[in-house]
Parts: sequence; C-alpha cells; structure tokens
Amino acid sequence: EIVLTQSPATLSLSPGERATLSCGASQSVSSSYLAWYQQKPGLAPRLLIYDASSRATGIPDRFSGSGSGTDFTLTISRLEPEDFAVYYCQQYGSSFFTFGGGTKVEIK
Amino acid sequence: EVQLVESGGGLVQPGGSLRLSCAASGFTFSSYWMSWVRQAPGKGLEWVANIKQDGSEKYYVDSVKGRFTISRDNAKNSLYLQMNSLRAEDTAVYYCARAGDYVWGPLFFDYWGQGTLVTVSS
Repeated sequence: EIVLTQSPATLSLSPGERATLSCGASQSVSSSYLAWYQQKPGLAPRLLIYDASSRATGIPDRFSGSGSGTDFTLTISRLEPEDFAVYYCQQYGSSFFTFGGGTKVEIK
Repeated sequence: EVQLVESGGGLVQPGGSLRLSCAASGFTFSSYWMSWVRQAPGKGLEWVANIKQDGSEKYYVDSVKGRFTISRDNAKNSLYLQMNSLRAEDTAVYYCARAGDYVWGPLFFDYWGQGTLVTVSS
C-alpha cells in the first residue's frame, strides 16, 4: 500500500496569497498517477488535477500541479475567497487507491 | 449531464447489514470503472472498493475485505455496495464515484455522488 502524507495539515493564508501544498508518497507513484481534490463542508470532493499536472475541466488556471515519483505539489497562485477548503491528494497507480490525510487552507 | 445518486444509507446495529445503491445517468455506465469512497465524520477520505466495467475485477481496502461486496448492474445503470458485519468504525458518508474508462485499470474520480450516511450504532 502506498501511504500519502500531506503537509502542512493546516495552511493559514490571506486572499491573494500563494498556497503551496505538498503530498509525499511512501513509494514511487506509477506513471505520476496522482490527483488532487478540493472539498468544502457538506459537499462531495471535486477533482482539480489528475496525472499530477493536468487540470480537470473547468478548473481555473490559478490551480497547478507538479511533481513525480514520490513528491508532488499543488499550487494555488492567488487565493480567491472560494478556495478556502480542504485539499486531498490521491494515488491511482495501482488498483488499490489511497488518499492523503488532507490539508486545510483557512483564512488568516 | 453526469449524475450519480446514492441511496440506502441509514442507522444499523453493529453486526448488521446494509446495501447501498448508486444510480448513474448522463454517460455510458458500462464503459466506466466505478468506485465507493467513504468519509467518517470529521475525517478524511478513504477509498473502499473498485469494480471494472464488466464486473470481472474487484478491489477492496483491507479493512472491508470479506465483509463488503461491490457489484454492478449495467442494464440498470446501477452500482451497489453490500455491507455485512458492520462495525462502528464503518460509520461514514459513502460516496459513489466514476473512475475512468481505461480498460487496464481504474483512474482518478472525475464525478462523485452527493453521498449517503451510514451510521453503525446500538
């Protein structure tokens, strides 16, 4: 099983600031099969990034993903009020999926 | 428009059983891997199970193996999760999610249902 560790657990930032979220894997993620999701309270998660760096349909270009192997990053270039939420990474490099523990981006 | 609508959640006693359903519409259901993902109250996301387009391959997280069974009925555009021997730690919102049309394996979750709450308590 691939264990994903997200850091930090909480990120306190102001609107307009840059957010950098990390996701580390316990072993290499095959084919960079890593996705990022955003979740707001009471709602289902929403796909943001797949294959480590491809934006999903309708996702603004302030969201970007990078990385390969065991180290991945989600960057939000300038935080908008609607971006304050919890973010999860997920690997699908095998048929046994795992999620990271999440990073909460909160308003400072 | 792709829609996934879960049903079947509720309150069940420890050791009991429950069957969740997910009705799919707006896409060719039989072409996609499908999955169940759960989220315990106040906790993170946990993948539960994947099923291949024709039902011939199924994968489970270790904590539910032997207790949960994922299945599908392509004629009815429906996904199911049969949950037996339920424990308190199975209490969660259960989401149905679409996991790609790649023949060789499931991919990321591009569509999710709204979730159905399962509470295991005496």
